[in-house]
This record gives sequence, C-alpha cells and structure tokens, in this order.
Amino acid sequence: DGGITQSPKYLFRKEGQNVTLSCEQNLNHDAMYWYRQDPGQGLRLIYYSQIVNDFQKGDIAEGYSVSREKKESFPLTVTSAQKNPTAFYLCASSIYREAPEAFFGQGTRLTVV
Amino acid sequence: GDSVTQMEGPVTLSEEAFLTINCTYTATGYPSLFWYVQYPGEGLQLLLKATKADDKGSNKGFEATYRKETTSFHLEKGSVQVSDSAVYFCALTPRAAGNKLTFGGGTRVLVKP
Repeated sequence: DGGITQSPKYLFRKEGQNVTLSCEQNLNHDAMYWYRQDPGQGLRLIYYSQIVNDFQKGDIAEGYSVSREKKESFPLTVTSAQKNPTAFYLCASSIYREAPEAFFGQGTRLTVV
Repeated sequence: GDSVTQMEGPVTLSEEAFLTINCTYTATGYPSLFWYVQYPGEGLQLLLKATKADDKGSNKGFEATYRKETTSFHLEKGSVQVSDSAVYFCALTPRAAGNKLTFGGGTRVLVKP
C-alpha cells in the first residue's frame, strides 16, 4: 500500500542531544513537509521541500534541520538549539501541482526527558 | 499573509445532533480549501476539499461549501456519531503550484452516546 511512514512513533531525548525523525513516502510525490503540533494547537510548518536537493524554511525553522537527498525521504533533525522540542511532529507529502491536498504520516511524539 | 480562523472548541454534542464548525479565511486570489480530521494519536486525514467558489465538498456525511463572498468554508454534518469524535482542521493552499497548506487552530469535537 502506498503511504507515508514516520518512525519512530515515540521518541525520548535527553536535553542537549540531537535526534532525527524519519519520514519515507512511496507515493512518488515531489513535495514533502514537516509540521509541528503542540497540545490543543494547530499545525505550524517547520520545513518543506518541493524537489530533491532543495528545501525551504517554514514558519518555525530555528533549531531544526532537514535534508532531501532522495525523493522518497525527508528526515528532520531536532537539534540541541531547539529550546522546547517536546511536541508531535507530522510529515506530509503532495504532488507538485496547483492546489494539491497533502497526505500525512502517523506522526512522531518527541519528549525531552 | 494567508490565515485560517476556525471556531474554538471543544464542541460537545449528543449522538444524532447537527454539527457545524465555522471556518473563515484570508488569502490573496482564490485558494483551494480543505477540511482534515485527526483522531487521537494519529496523523491528519483529508476529509473533503473544494477548489473554486460555490464548490461543495462532501464525504462520509460531512459537507462544506466554498463561499467566496463571505470567505468561509463551514463544515456541517446532519447527524453525528460517537465515531466522529476527533479534531477537525480547516486549511487552505494558494492556487499556484508548490505552495504549502495553512491550517486553522483545530476544533475538538466530542460526541456523547
């Protein structure tokens, strides 16, 4: 079945550590996105990529980094510079065309301990 | 910039009641509009969409009509079930290719038996 796979589902990080969240899609979508969701709030865009080897900052990129070396993969690294990383992280993808809908993964819940 | 405003929840209803969730937007041009649903601990699923004025999106008994004159896209369902308990997000994307989604803050709906 085609879809977006995020791993792990739950992740615990010690303060000062970098962690990488995985996102893989087999939908042959060009564009991929990372969103952050805090309890009771909407989604905020961290980074997005429209083609391989290219990505742009979203609204809250500070303390995060991404790479897009393959069309299928868009990993997100939460660095130690991110002051409040505990959140639910959602990866999405879409076709690169006018007004596409996005397809979402199941999310990764990151907790700093 | 683009923005989406939706009514704050939680909205608590009895089974078989009528549900309305208000959504208004601010955007340049004529964006495409979407409703997404999120069940506890999961990612977002596309519920319905509309790509031009007066379009009506519908799915699983839910409906929403793209009203350009009032810049609104209110979600309705005539008879809710307990299984409709979830968080609902209104979103938009500009018509040009390669643009990302802008989300409202989400509305939690709780349906009681």
